[in-house]
Amino acid sequence: EPEVTQTPSHQVTQMGQEVILRCVPISNHLYFYWYRQILGQKVEFLVSFYNNEISEKSEIFDDQFSVERPDGSNFTLKIRSTKLEDSAMYFCASKGETVNTGELFFGEGSRLTVL
Amino acid sequence: RKEVEQDPGPFNVPEGATVAFNCTYSNSASQSFFWYRQDCRKEPKLLMSVYSSGNEDGRFTAQLNRASQYISLLIRDSKLSDSATYLCVVTSFTGNQFYFGTGTSLTVIP
Repeated sequence: EPEVTQTPSHQVTQMGQEVILRCVPISNHLYFYWYRQILGQKVEFLVSFYNNEISEKSEIFDDQFSVERPDGSNFTLKIRSTKLEDSAMYFCASKGETVNTGELFFGEGSRLTVL
Repeated sequence: RKEVEQDPGPFNVPEGATVAFNCTYSNSASQSFFWYRQDCRKEPKLLMSVYSSGNEDGRFTAQLNRASQYISLLIRDSKLSDSATYLCVVTSFTGNQFYFGTGTSLTVIP
């Protein structure tokens, strides 16, 4: 069964460092997303990406964050200068081949710990 | 106003019990509706889509009331393995943005 894969599964970093989280969405999907979930809290939307550009982003997705789809398969989230409050689980998700319908498929997540 | 609001829970029920979760949403033009299940420290996984006519999948029944902007999930004959957080998810009008409720925690007790 096709799946969304994410790396790394866990990353520990020092405050102020740059972090890149990687995702390989399901191959024929069109929409890609990043969500985050702080421990014990709700799943929060960060950004959606369609047709090689950001389609929507939340207030959380400030100038410290960026996304890229460099090679047609990977979808990356970069945090330029991490803060303590960036510690969370980051989920990548993709949506099926039909543009306006379908459910989200999530990767297993990348746990980011900022010290 | 939040896009999606759910019962706060937690729900602690004995095995075999029937339990119902409710959810309301604010955008009357929302296109699609889902229940996702999330186990502790794992990713959300689709449990079932929710259709206007109501739909059933084994012990699980989902209902949608568009007039009241209300979604429900009924779990019959609860199993220990049903213990998880259940997330109500509603899309935008386009179907391309997904809004998550805070989730309702269920613990099924032996």
